Amino acid sequence: KAGVTQTPRYLIKTRGQQVTLSCSPISGHRSVSWYQQTPGQGLQFLFEYFSETQRNKGNFPGRFSGRQFSNSRSEMNVSTLELGDSALYLCASSSGGQGPTIYFGEGSWLTVV
Amino acid sequence: DQQVKQNSPSLSVQEGRISILNCDYTNSMFDYFLWYKKYPAEGPTFLISISSIKDKNEDGRFTVFLNKSAKHLSLHIVPSQPGDSAVYFCAAPRNAGGTSYGKLTFGQGTILTVHP
Repeated sequence: KAGVTQTPRYLIKTRGQQVTLSCSPISGHRSVSWYQQTPGQGLQFLFEYFSETQRNKGNFPGRFSGRQFSNSRSEMNVSTLELGDSALYLCASSSGGQGPTIYFGEGSWLTVV
Repeated sequence: DQQVKQNSPSLSVQEGRISILNCDYTNSMFDYFLWYKKYPAEGPTFLISISSIKDKNEDGRFTVFLNKSAKHLSLHIVPSQPGDSAVYFCAAPRNAGGTSYGKLTFGQGTILTVHP
């Protein structure tokens, strides 16, 4: 059974640009969530999508957005990149049901220069 | 508001001994907990979970204990191996309204070092 797949794994962007990260969840999982990990802030929740609808949202500015497609694949977008957006972005998938186990992908490492 | 806390930033243990990683929480709505192991620049790997209807769950070398009255859980690794050296996170899935498990709140993590 394939795990959570994230692309790209590494990328470098310039301040002011925008970036799109992609996530394919485990087959059959309908919930996809995104997290940001930085040295100073630890692992922080960005948002969760379930059946193409945003179900939960963290405390991030509107520059951070996401969406989920009918096949449960998800993308997150960050517009007008800032240096502080440099982080490891993690996608997680779960069945979304009672007492779920949440599995993570390897992450996309974004560096903003 | 740090709802999940891991107060020990690091732990050093000798190979073969027990590692005990602790986690405290403040939100009484949390009724399910997960432990993850993480290496730098990689995604967290799920280790073990526990529901609040239990006080113990065991999987191989890993055992998680939950004390609901103290709002405290701990992960025991026995015996510890050098390959266990990593950052360990406890996490609780629950959104603010308590209506879904889609949002993980993480502790700050504990760096475990197992010496040969």
